[in-house]
Amino acid sequence: RKEVEQDPGPFNVPEGATVAFNCTYSNSASQSFFWYRQDCRKEPKLLMSVYSSGNEDGRFTAQLNRASQYISLLIRDSKLSDSATYLCVVGPNFGNEKLTFGTGTRLTIIP
Amino acid sequence: SQTIHQWPATLVQPVGSPLSLECTVEGTSNPNLYWYRQAAGRGLQLLFYSVGIGQISSEVPQNLSASRPQDRQFILSSKKLLLSDSGFYLCAWSVGGLWEPQHFGDGTRLSIL
Repeated sequence: RKEVEQDPGPFNVPEGATVAFNCTYSNSASQSFFWYRQDCRKEPKLLMSVYSSGNEDGRFTAQLNRASQYISLLIRDSKLSDSATYLCVVGPNFGNEKLTFGTGTRLTIIP
Repeated sequence: SQTIHQWPATLVQPVGSPLSLECTVEGTSNPNLYWYRQAAGRGLQLLFYSVGIGQISSEVPQNLSASRPQDRQFILSSKKLLLSDSGFYLCAWSVGGLWEPQHFGDGTRLSIL
């Protein structure tokens, strides 16, 4: 099982719709969870941290389910500018203190 | 505020040539520094990380090396590039534990001919 697993997509979603991604992780002892956004041919940028209680930032909501070992990202009222690849990031993993990046879920918002 | 500078933005090199990519961070002290490579359409591969001056940890065996001659400077090098070294090279920094969020530079797109 991969340390961090994401559905690669692509997700093609009409503008204004709500879209949700899940990401599963293998180490139940992981403590740090993040979502990053990467635009085509650009560097990844931190979108939001994921807290146990769940957190919201405008149209974006992140949630953590420790029992099932997954995190989710919900985007409401999607906009064309939301088109990007979304990376799930988890750490530490099995004695490896560093973060592990998922391979990303590609999202395209359709006008 | 913290900023990270990475150069050059684009590089085209022949097979067998040497490489030197530089990354510097401003606005913070004793950062953790990272080098990643991303092949076209693929995920991030961690190459090296450093928790302090002169301290380098290698993640994968390869013909690349890294050095940290100063607190906020991280250099990626190779003596002889291979075709398989092509990719998007990203430098990143974080502070605190290695599980804290990382912040990336703009990246260097390296093409080997």
